[in-house]
Amino acid sequence: ETGVTQTPRHLVMGMTNKKSLKCEQHLGHNAMYWYKQSAKKPLELMFVYSLEERVENNSVPSRFSPECPNSSHLFLHLHTLQPEDSALYLCASSLGLGRGYDNEQFFGPGTRLTVL
Amino acid sequence: AQSVTQLGSHVSVSEGALVLLRCNYSSSVPPYLFWYVQYPNQGLQLLLKYTTGATLVKGINGFEAEFKKSETSFHLTKPSAHMSDAAEYFCAVSTGKLIFGQGTTLQVKP
Repeated sequence: ETGVTQTPRHLVMGMTNKKSLKCEQHLGHNAMYWYKQSAKKPLELMFVYSLEERVENNSVPSRFSPECPNSSHLFLHLHTLQPEDSALYLCASSLGLGRGYDNEQFFGPGTRLTVL
Repeated sequence: AQSVTQLGSHVSVSEGALVLLRCNYSSSVPPYLFWYVQYPNQGLQLLLKYTTGATLVKGINGFEAEFKKSETSFHLTKPSAHMSDAAEYFCAVSTGKLIFGQGTTLQVKP
């Protein structure tokens, strides 16, 4: 595997289910990101991790719970979601954060989530 | 604070015509600038980036962009559009944090 991978690619869940999205990067990067992309809306940055520490949480509801067990893996745990949470969830990674890096981000293919 | 504005959420061109997607940025320090492309149901893929040096940057698939500091712009161009160029394009600026524009959907008509 190369680059950034995400599983599953498609997920349908009910509002009472609990599921997890997985992201893995094979680039040796130190920073990882979750984005939400809804139809006709800009990319929304949800969470940022640097060296396994959460450095940004952009007012995301608690029904989304991220986990970064190591610098290669990032999870997004989902519970009691709402239909408006249906979207494409993108994971990305970059070499690092801050002015010392150009912050070029490498994206996974995304997980298309549908909440019924 | 930094920001990026893409002028036009939807651009339509004929196959073979010039593609011009506009991006303006705001930054208090010299920025790094990026263009990404997203095909349907896929993640974002880097087209090109400007960090330092030559202001005309060439990317993949025949695209290029020019950094114009005086105009705070980083417009994306391609001389001749192909049907396969139909996608959504995102401009982004970084001065330590990557900020994306709202995206421009490019339609290519036969």
